[in-house]
Amino acid sequence: NAGVTQTPKFRVLKTGQSMTLLCAQDMNHEYMYWYRQDPGMGLRLIHYSVGEGTTAKGEVPDGYNVSRLKKQNFLLGLESAAPSQTSVYFCASRPGGSSNEQFFGPGTRLTVL
Amino acid sequence: TQLLEQSPQFLSIQEGENLTVYCNSSSVFSSLQWYRQEPGEGPVLLVTVVTGGEVKKLKRLTFQFGDARKDSSLHITAAQPGDTGLYLCAGLPPNTGNQFYFGTGTSLTVIP
Repeated sequence: NAGVTQTPKFRVLKTGQSMTLLCAQDMNHEYMYWYRQDPGMGLRLIHYSVGEGTTAKGEVPDGYNVSRLKKQNFLLGLESAAPSQTSVYFCASRPGGSSNEQFFGPGTRLTVL
Repeated sequence: TQLLEQSPQFLSIQEGENLTVYCNSSSVFSSLQWYRQEPGEGPVLLVTVVTGGEVKKLKRLTFQFGDARKDSSLHITAAQPGDTGLYLCAGLPPNTGNQFYFGTGTSLTVIP
């Protein structure tokens, strides 16, 4: 099992450009999450999904959109990137039910110039 | 504002020393988790505590959940260089079920 994978690993954008980050999990988990990690602020939840076809806003959703058309994939989109979106983005999944353990991907480092 | 505050933010100690990391909030959580993150990787779960006053041990690591379920601590005995990393607490508020709030993180360096 690959677990949780993220593509790309690194990306540099110019202000105003758009991009999509892809998260894939092969563990048949119900829940998936997108976080951003900034120095001194831990991880902050952007959006999450409790199942295929569902999405919900987290703490910091502005400027981002998500889609979960297939259970194994969770996409994070930036329509018009801003320098404030420079960060490391982590995807996570968890089985649901009584299990609260989240399994994280290796992260995507995004720089917006 | 962060729901969970961790202290200290940075900690550098010699191998063999003991240390405690704190995770504090004014909010109640139904469960609280501790993760460790190494550079260039995602966080990995160490432990979950769910009952007020609960104490769990993982080798040289001892985790405690506060009686009121608002805070937690992580104590490491005889720290080793392999303990180096970023330690994150994460809380699950009651009645949400799905949204976790992470602490600000504690970066630990253990010097050989």
